[in-house]
Amino acid sequence: GQQLNQSPQSMFIQEGEDVSMNCTSSSIFNTWLWYKQDPGEGPVLLIALYKAGELTSNGRLTAQFGITRKDSFLNISASIPSDVGIYFCAGQLGSNTGKLIFGQGTTLQVKP
Amino acid sequence: GAVVSQHPSRVICKSGTSVKIECRSLDFQATTMFWYRQFPKQSLMLMATSNEGSKATYEQGVEKDKFLINHASLTLSTLTVTSAHPEDSSFYICSARRGQNTYGYTFGSGTRLTVV
Repeated sequence: GQQLNQSPQSMFIQEGEDVSMNCTSSSIFNTWLWYKQDPGEGPVLLIALYKAGELTSNGRLTAQFGITRKDSFLNISASIPSDVGIYFCAGQLGSNTGKLIFGQGTTLQVKP
Repeated sequence: GAVVSQHPSRVICKSGTSVKIECRSLDFQATTMFWYRQFPKQSLMLMATSNEGSKATYEQGVEKDKFLINHASLTLSTLTVTSAHPEDSSFYICSARRGQNTYGYTFGSGTRLTVV
């Protein structure tokens, strides 16, 4: 079945540093989504990408939908302590099913 | 904004009993609801997809007789874990979708189920 490979698995950085994480897949997705999950909570949508090549920003976050539709990256600039959490990429298989396939997640820790 | 309320947030039950988890869309009608399970330090795994008034579609490997899903209205879906066992202990999360718009996905806050 479809799988999303997300890396890195975890990151421990200093406050103020930039962060980059990415997802790749052997399958083509119509939509890429990036979520953040805090402990004991459900995921919260950060950025949604709909077109190949699309580059979208949300504050300090920037994400791109790869040209091949098989990959995406998320960058966080000037990290702050509240960026701590688990970041997931998710690919949508098709607008009809609405199913999302999630990556394995990237755990981010920020040292003040 | 769209809000999905999931209840209870955590529950402890004895092995062999059943537990019901509710997922409500508070300010919109959810055409489709999804149920996920997440084990510690792992990703979200889709269990089933339900459309209002229809039988749920289960993912491969998910026992439909064990995980009963009811989507009786456009604002409420329930997941019942029947005859729960310790291996069913997990974090269960629902997601509600409005129409075809991807931005319409809203997740509940999750339910931590512990079976003792």
